[in-house]
Parts: sequence; C-alpha cells; structure tokens
Amino acid sequence: SYELTQPPSVSVSPGQTARITCSGDALPKQYAYWYQQKPGQAPVLVIYKDSERPSGIPERFSGSSSGTTVTLTISGVQAEDEADYYCQSADSSGTYVWVFGGGTKLTVL
Amino acid sequence: QVQLVESGGGVVQPGRSLRLSCAASGFTFSSYGMHWVRQAPGKGLEWVAVISYDGSNKYYADSVKGRFTISRDNSKNTLYLQMNSLRAEDTAVYYCAKDGGPGYLGSWGQGTLVTVSS
Repeated sequence: SYELTQPPSVSVSPGQTARITCSGDALPKQYAYWYQQKPGQAPVLVIYKDSERPSGIPERFSGSSSGTTVTLTISGVQAEDEADYYCQSADSSGTYVWVFGGGTKLTVL
Repeated sequence: QVQLVESGGGVVQPGRSLRLSCAASGFTFSSYGMHWVRQAPGKGLEWVAVISYDGSNKYYADSVKGRFTISRDNSKNTLYLQMNSLRAEDTAVYYCAKDGGPGYLGSWGQGTLVTVSS
C-alpha cells in the first residue's frame, strides 16, 4: 500500500526557518497537501497542490516539491506555529484512496 | 461560512454498530464529495472513506472495508458513516470533511469521539 513518510519531530527557535519533509513514491505524479493541527482542534489546510497557499494562511508558509519528496517550509517561525503537521496525497494506482503521512510535531523552542 | 457538525459518537461494545452523522451548512452540499477521517487518541490522521457528490461512488480504506458504509442524504445536507462489527482499534475521533478540490480536504468538522470498549 502507498505510504508517506515524515520525521516525527522538528524543533526550531522563534524566528528561524522550519522545514518538514514528506517522502512517497507517488509524489512525482501526485500533488501533496499539508495540514496544521493544534491540540484539541481539527486540521486546517495550509498548502495545496505542493506549493499553493489558501487564502488566510500567512505568507511564511510555503511548499516545494522535488522528486519523491515534498517540503513544508515555515519562515520566521512564531510560537503560534507549534503544532502537528500532516502531509497528504492520493494513491496513484487508481484505487482512489487518500493517504496521510504519520505527522510531524513542530516544537518552537 | 462552511460548517460541518458531527454527531453520534459514544461508547460502544466490540462487535456492535454505531452510525455517525455530519450536518453540513454554508455551501451547496450536493455539489461536493465528502470524506470521513479518524484519529486514534494520541495518533495521526487516517483517511476512512469518501463519497462522491451524488453518492454514486464510494471508496474505503482497507482497514474499514466491508464493515463501514458511507452514505449521504442531499435533501437533508447530511453525511453518514454506518460502522458495524466495531473493534477496539476503531476507537478514535471521527471527522467529516468537505472536498477542497481534486485530491484534498478543504474544510473539517470538529469531530466526534467513538470509544469501542467492553
């Protein structure tokens, strides 16, 4: 089955740049999406189609793609960015399943 | 303003059934595919099922295939998840979510907790 792999945790100091990666064999052929989830809250979409930012999402959030890896970059990290981040894509084999990565806990030191 | 409100969660014994509902408002419900996603306590997100805008196509995660059924009533702007033969590993917060576009989930409800325990 299709899998997306993320690091369990990333830590940065305020004002630094955080990079969270997501790897998967189908990523060269399928878009990736990123969601932010704070404790006790529902996930919120922060990046779609690898690098597009929904309205209302701060410009410090950006996304990029290279081969089998996509990256969520948060520039000038703020304390409020501390959250779990999940990548998501779709199985490209035609079975119509949506797949999430295991999630990355971003800690702002 | 998109609003999705889940209900129907609770404590249920293993092997029993439960039906979740998701009431939608703030958008044209009958024009969008809808999903169920779950999150076990302290764990990550797991996609469960999707239904097309008109209910004609349904797809499931392998972990629930044959036990769970997704459905919708466009006249009531409501999404459902019928869960049968429940197992302890089905314990999770269940979220309904609206298609944001091909391949992703745009808006989410706040979730309803299902606990499978004897």
